[in-house]
Parts: sequence; C-alpha cells; structure tokens
Amino acid sequence: QVHLVESGGGVVQPGRSLRLSCAASGFTFSSYGMHWVRQAPGKGLEWVAVIWHDGSTKYYADSVKGRFTISRDNSKNTLYLQMNSLRGEDTAVYYCARQLVTSGFDIWGQGTMVTVSS
Amino acid sequence: QSALTQPPSASGSPGQSVTISCTGSSSDVGGYNYVSWYQQYPGKAPKLMIYDVSKRPSGVPDRFSGSKSGNTASLTVSGLQPEDEADYYCSSYGGSNNILFGGGTKLTVL
Repeated sequence: QVHLVESGGGVVQPGRSLRLSCAASGFTFSSYGMHWVRQAPGKGLEWVAVIWHDGSTKYYADSVKGRFTISRDNSKNTLYLQMNSLRGEDTAVYYCARQLVTSGFDIWGQGTMVTVSS
Repeated sequence: QSALTQPPSASGSPGQSVTISCTGSSSDVGGYNYVSWYQQYPGKAPKLMIYDVSKRPSGVPDRFSGSKSGNTASLTVSGLQPEDEADYYCSSYGGSNNILFGGGTKLTVL
C-alpha cells in the first residue's frame, strides 16, 4: 500500500528552526518528484517546494525562498523540509505529496502541524 | 504570482450538476494543460480528482469531469451525491517552476 507519513511538526518560537520528515512506502520513491504543500488554519492550499526524483533540482515558493530547504534521501525513502527563520505566517499543516509524471499530486501524507508562536 | 481564482462557494441538490470555475492567466492555466483538482474533507488531506485538465485517476467516479477554455478551467460534478460535499481546490503549473492553487470552493449539497 502506498503511504506517505509526515513527522517533525510542533510549536516553535519565531526565528527558530524545525525539520520535517516524510517517510514513503509502497512505491519506488526514487522514481518520483516530491513536493511540500502547506495549509494555514482555515485557509487554502499553498505550494511550498519541489525536488526532482534524483534530488538534482529544487524549486521554492517566493514566500519561503532562502529560509526553507527541501532535500531527500532515496536510500531511506525519506523527504525532508528544513525550515529556518520561522515566522508566524509559516503556521500551517504541512503535507508531503507525490507528483504524477505530468501534473497533479496523487498521493498525500496526513500532514504535520507547525505552529510558530512565542 | 497570484493564486488562481475560484468562487468561494457552490451548491446543488442531489442528482443535479454543478460546475466550479478556476480562472488564471495565459501564463498558467491558459498556457499549459497541467490543471488538477483536489477534494478535501475537513481535517483530511486533499485527494486528487482530476489531473492534466481532464484525466481521472483510478477510483474517481466518472461523475467528476474537468475541462478548460482559455484561461479558465472547470470541474463539473454530475449527479450530485451527499458525499460530494467538501472543499475543492484547483491547481496549475505556474510557468516559473512553481505551482499555483486556487483559493478553494466549498461545495454544499442541499
């Protein structure tokens, strides 16, 4: 069964760092591009970042560029999101998602909540 | 880039059809056939309903269909059922190595 399970969320003070993980199972992780998407409480979805299947290319939303880093370890079937200089507006549920070959995210994790507050 | 524009709400009675629009620009929706639609229940992760404008993943009922005309994509739900009541989000490749989402539409089955 195909699964994505996020972890690492929690409450953190503004300016501090947090690293999220997304463990994949049930498919060949190294064959897929992977994304992080977030959703602030009561708000819509916001794309955060993408990493290609082999980790060679990464792109970020302007709102997180320079502060967040997406990475992956294909030997561990795990996706990461290193979040630095966190702000209140980063408060959200963070989802990892698998990308289809062309477009669309066909598999999503259950999400992990990040709260940035003093 | 700005988010894609969706109506905040839509509604229909059981058995009816409802269409949700998603308006972007020639730089995103209109420029690529990379529009997808997601269904989300409260407190749950989104679920892919349509990809590449009009393709349905395995397991998604054929009551759900997608289309595009110019800079506007549409999701049509035919034969509305109570379980279709949820939030729906459109998404498109943004043309600058980014992905755009719409603000979401709350679909109510009356």
